Amino acid sequence: ETGVTQSPTHLIKTRGQQVTLRCSSQSGHNTVSWYQQALGQGPQFIFQYYREEENGRGNFPPRFSGLQFPNYSSELNVNALELDDSALYLCASSLSGDNEQFFGPGTRLTVL
Amino acid sequence: GEDVEQSLFLSVREGDSSVINCTYTDSSSTYLYWYKQEPGAGLQLLTYIFSNMDMKQDQRLTVLLNKKDKHLSLRIADTQTGDSAIYFCAEILYGGSQGNLIFGKGTKLSVKP
Repeated sequence: ETGVTQSPTHLIKTRGQQVTLRCSSQSGHNTVSWYQQALGQGPQFIFQYYREEENGRGNFPPRFSGLQFPNYSSELNVNALELDDSALYLCASSLSGDNEQFFGPGTRLTVL
Repeated sequence: GEDVEQSLFLSVREGDSSVINCTYTDSSSTYLYWYKQEPGAGLQLLTYIFSNMDMKQDQRLTVLLNKKDKHLSLRIADTQTGDSAIYFCAEILYGGSQGNLIFGKGTKLSVKP
């Protein structure tokens, strides 16, 4: 059973650019949640995808968007990058109806 | 609104017990979690407790829940240097059909040999 994987590991972008981060859920899991963890902070919920639809969203602007694919993998897209978007982006997968979320290793995004 | 608070630092000696404390605000929370994060890594689920329980034990870990005071604690027995990490308390918030986690800022545990 493979765990949650994320790519890339690290990414450097400049302000105004767009970025796509990827997540493969743990085998058998159908729900993917994305979190942003700024330095020295706890993770903050961005949104969740279930059955290829957004199923809950935190306090993030529309330039944060996502997708879930039929194989339950997911993408997080961020447009018009700002310096404050620099953070560790974590993906977590779970099985609907279950209460455990398992996290991937994260993607470290640096915006210059 | 929802808020989870933790003390930021804890330092213990190897072999001692560590107790990490957390308070939460959402009275409708049904599950409360402890995650561990090592430097440069993602979050590892350590344990969780359902809100109708007072205590849960899992090997060296003991979780205590005081629902009246909305206080959660994680006790690590016989703390080892490998336990040095940041520990996050989280509550689950249900919106839609699935829940999302609300995290505290984390407690950095330093274990001195």
